[in-house]
Amino acid sequence: QVRLRESGPGLVKPSETLSLTCSVSDSSIITDHYWGWFRQPPGKGLEWIGSIFYSGSTYYNPSLNSRLTLSVDTSKNQFSLRLKSVTAADTAVYYCARGAPYGSGSCDHWGQGTLVSVSP
Amino acid sequence: VVLTQSPARLSLSPGERATLSCRASQSISSYLSWYQQKPGQAPRLLIYDASDRAPGVPARFSGSGSGTDFTLTISSLEPEDFAVYYCQQRKNWLFTFGPGTTVDVK
Repeated sequence: QVRLRESGPGLVKPSETLSLTCSVSDSSIITDHYWGWFRQPPGKGLEWIGSIFYSGSTYYNPSLNSRLTLSVDTSKNQFSLRLKSVTAADTAVYYCARGAPYGSGSCDHWGQGTLVSVSP
Repeated sequence: VVLTQSPARLSLSPGERATLSCRASQSISSYLSWYQQKPGQAPRLLIYDASDRAPGVPARFSGSGSGTDFTLTISSLEPEDFAVYYCQQRKNWLFTFGPGTTVDVK
């Protein structure tokens, strides 16, 4: 059973950089799967942020592409997100998940989510 | 690819059948997943590849469709099925979600 856990600051100031890490346990991050980031503003729907494979290949949501960097650290079995120049619109629960490398690319394992608020 | 879900809200009683729709703005073959989300919880995968049930998902959940029109059916609602349901598509390794359908108790 793969387990994922998000970690990082719960409060970020506007114009600063949001950084989160997802720790993967009970499975190696070195698989064919992709590792994804998603977010959900309070009371709203889900949004895909981006995906990364252990090789380092990345796919980004075009709406976030200019501010987003995903990375993977296979030695720590972790992957990370950096979103720069944040605004209040980036306030959300952020989830990491494992995705299938074929077909619909569905995510079968998710972290519990972490709330990040952007506020002065 | 834009996904549209209908209805936005479905008010039903336990034991009734629920039919949820998801329409894509262009063909996505069968690259569609359905998720269930309850308050304060992460999404839970129900259906992948339009019609395949994820492990552990009860048989009352079924998915159908291909191309641009997809359906999630819950044959007989159990109390634990009242939740928000999202469809998600993949095209060229870019993903989008529908806005969700809330299934609540009538």
